[in-house]
This record gives sequence, structure tokens and C-alpha cells, in this order.
Amino acid sequence: SQELEQSPQSLIVQEGKNLTINCTSSKTLYGLYWYKQKYGEGLIFLMMLQKGGEEKSHEKITAKLDEKKQQSSLHITASQPSHAGIYLCGAGSSSNTGKLIFGQGTTLQVKP
Amino acid sequence: DTAVSQTPKYLVTQMGNDKSIKCEQNLGHDTMYWYKQDSKKFLKIMFSYNNKELIINETVPNRFSPKSPDKAHLNLHINSLELGDSAVYFCASGTGDSPLHFGNGTRLTVT
Repeated sequence: SQELEQSPQSLIVQEGKNLTINCTSSKTLYGLYWYKQKYGEGLIFLMMLQKGGEEKSHEKITAKLDEKKQQSSLHITASQPSHAGIYLCGAGSSSNTGKLIFGQGTTLQVKP
Repeated sequence: DTAVSQTPKYLVTQMGNDKSIKCEQNLGHDTMYWYKQDSKKFLKIMFSYNNKELIINETVPNRFSPKSPDKAHLNLHINSLELGDSAVYFCASGTGDSPLHFGNGTRLTVT
């Protein structure tokens, strides 16, 4: 079965610093989804990547999917306290059931 | 307007009790899911229903029984609750390859 490994598991950065979160899959990815979760809330969809080499940006967050479609990175530029939360990467299944398998999450704290 | 709503938000109960969590989506999606997030924040799928039909059951104990009266609703009933059932349960809906939409979660605490 497919597994997703996120690194680091937790991250504390000073406001204004850049950071990167990685997501590595044990198998080829059929769609890679990044979500953010704040405490006590649901998952908020950030970005979806499907093609090898694809890169997407939204405000100060950029996500990339490598050419081999087995690794993705999420980069935050000039982090702010509002970026704090848990970031989860999710992989679609080859059977196209819509089911997502998630990594264990990366907890981000941004110090003012 | 809330897209995926689940109730209750918090649920505290004793071991051995039976409880239900309700979920409704107004997005017109065909597929709904239940996920469980443990204390380490690991999110794992439990069930998936497509147009009221069960399509995924990830080796969840028989004490958990999902019910989908129509494609906009997916409820989760749990019998004989155990301490290990304490977690946050998320409902989600989706269609095709589009991103899943999640509810805000139900934090279940079994004492």
C-alpha cells in the first residue's frame, strides 16, 4: 500500500523566514493535494498537483511536484503567524475512488 | 453557507455507550467519507460512500457502522465505545479528482 512521509514533523520559525515542507511517496503519485489544518478546525484545501514538474503558487505558498511524481515540496516565503498550523499532504489513489491517503502532517509554529 | 457540516463538534461519553455523528454536504458531491485523526494528528480513512453505496471499508471494527440515507448525508454510529476510539472524526465529500472538502471535525472523548 502507498505511504506518504512528511518532513520535518514539526517546525518553529521566526516570522519573516522562509521554510520548506517535504512529502515523499512510496509509489508514483496520482494527484498530490496539500491541506492546512488549524486547531479545532477542518482541513483547508491549498493546492493540487497532478503533472510531473508542476508548480503552483497561492499568495506566499508555492507547491511543486517532481518529475518522477514521487515527491512534493511546499515552500512558504516570508512566513507570518497566520501560516501556523498543521500541513498535510494527501495522495489520490490509482483506482480513482477519490480516497486520499495522508502523510502524518507537519506542525508549523511561526514566532512573531 | 457551510459546505460540509458535521454534528456534534464535541462529544464526551463513557466507555460502553453508543453514539452517533452526523454529516451533511450541500455541494452536490457523489462521494462522502469518514476519516479518523488520532492523537498524533495522523489522518486515516475509515469509510467511503458513493451515491449511498459503500465503496471503501478500511478494516474498521464492526462497532462502527456508517449509514447514508441519501447522497448528501453520511452518518457514523459507534457501538460499545472504547477508550481507543477517542479521536477527531472528519467527514469529507468529493467528486472525481477534485479536492475533498472536509467538515470541521467531531472531537470524541471516551472516558
